[in-house]
Amino acid sequence: DTGVSQNPRHKITKRGQNVTFRCDPISEHNRLYWYRQTLGQGPEFLTYFQNEAQLEKSRLLSDRFSAERPKGSFSTLEIQRTEQGDSAMYLCAAGRDSYNEQFFGPGTRLTVL
Amino acid sequence: AQTVTQSQPEMSVQEAETVTLSCTYDTSENNYYLFWYKQPPSRQMILVIRQEAYKQQNATENRFSVNFQKAAKSFSLKISDSQLGDTAMYFCAFMRSWGSGGGADGLTFGKGTHLIIQP
Repeated sequence: DTGVSQNPRHKITKRGQNVTFRCDPISEHNRLYWYRQTLGQGPEFLTYFQNEAQLEKSRLLSDRFSAERPKGSFSTLEIQRTEQGDSAMYLCAAGRDSYNEQFFGPGTRLTVL
Repeated sequence: AQTVTQSQPEMSVQEAETVTLSCTYDTSENNYYLFWYKQPPSRQMILVIRQEAYKQQNATENRFSVNFQKAAKSFSLKISDSQLGDTAMYFCAFMRSWGSGGGADGLTFGKGTHLIIQP
């Protein structure tokens, strides 16, 4: 167990709907990352939070993607107006200062019909 | 920008054999970290081993060891006495050091190698 949980584990939605995923790291993890993993590929970095501050968001795939970490604890990733190309596994990872290791959650698998 | 290349999409070995997974990377940075992550089927990704670029000594973790060749930008993973539980996707990953403004970039992953351990 890495101490990072994600919900839901699976999400099926229709094209055009909005979806929101949640990531809960343990309290010691002040750093939080979101990645997307498509079939046959390694994870692709999307965005980074240090505590509640979103320090890197230029890699979010489009303006339909947004993320928050309002109190520096859990984080949410929202995709608006989903498209079939958004179907993927969305991974959350967390870590803390002075450590370069990232602990990954189990991911949320999104299927857009 | 950094790139990570894993040239072996799939490998299969017999239990108890030794296997080496290849990884090469490209960067202009001098300070960085390299990682091997394991992703078992339908399970969370976990760290196998890490290497700091400034350390010449190759990292080892029990049956897992790396061959880090900084000049060649090569970072291979050797698994000794392979076990059935080693069956998984293995990803090589790169991260710039925090002092170079990295960390906030996240990890750059290769496409992975699917390792199958046969009984």
